[in-house]
Amino acid sequence: QKEVEQDPGPLSVPEGAIVSLNCTYSNSAFQYFMWYRQYSRKGPELLMYTYSSGNKEDGRFTAQVDKSSKYISLFIRDSQPSDSATYLCAMCAPYNQGGKLIFGQGTELSVKP
Amino acid sequence: NAGVTQTPKFQVLKTGQSMTLQCAQDMNHNSMYWYRQDPGMGLRLIYYSASEGTTDKGEVPNGYNVSRLNKREFSLRLESAAPSQTSVYFCASSEARGQPQHFGDGTRLSIL
Repeated sequence: QKEVEQDPGPLSVPEGAIVSLNCTYSNSAFQYFMWYRQYSRKGPELLMYTYSSGNKEDGRFTAQVDKSSKYISLFIRDSQPSDSATYLCAMCAPYNQGGKLIFGQGTELSVKP
Repeated sequence: NAGVTQTPKFQVLKTGQSMTLQCAQDMNHNSMYWYRQDPGMGLRLIYYSASEGTTDKGEVPNGYNVSRLNKREFSLRLESAAPSQTSVYFCASSEARGQPQHFGDGTRLSIL
């Protein structure tokens, strides 16, 4: 079993739709929970990160962490064609476990005009 | 604010040639990393430097060497390039090991 599981998609939605991206994980010691956006031929861009359970909002993006279920989500409201990219969830192991960054497989999102 | 800057952006090498990939960050981060990204394999850690003066192997270190030149700069060297090292290489940095990382835009390397 992989430490982080993410549905690879691809996911295609019409412009204006609400998008839900999800990851599950197995290591209860993970601390930081991150979402990266990667456009074609670009590096992963850190979109949002949280340290604890709960919600964090930034404009049209909401990140949600449920540590009891080992489940994280990214919601994109009023999706735009410019949101078309691959979205990667990632988690940090604590420093005493090596501090490694573990990525999900990435979900390819396409928002159609 | 540039963040993480990588040079060059593209490079083609012949088998056996050597090359150094450069990375610099302007966020005053302590930790820096080198990854490679291959189709179907995701991002794999090659080497990292938890702090200035230290370097450690990641998942796939064979065929590579690194130098943490100072707090800002971390270079990756291929001593004798092989076709299996054709990949996209990303440098990243974070305040400390175990904290969110910021990535550069990558170096696309082809080895013929």
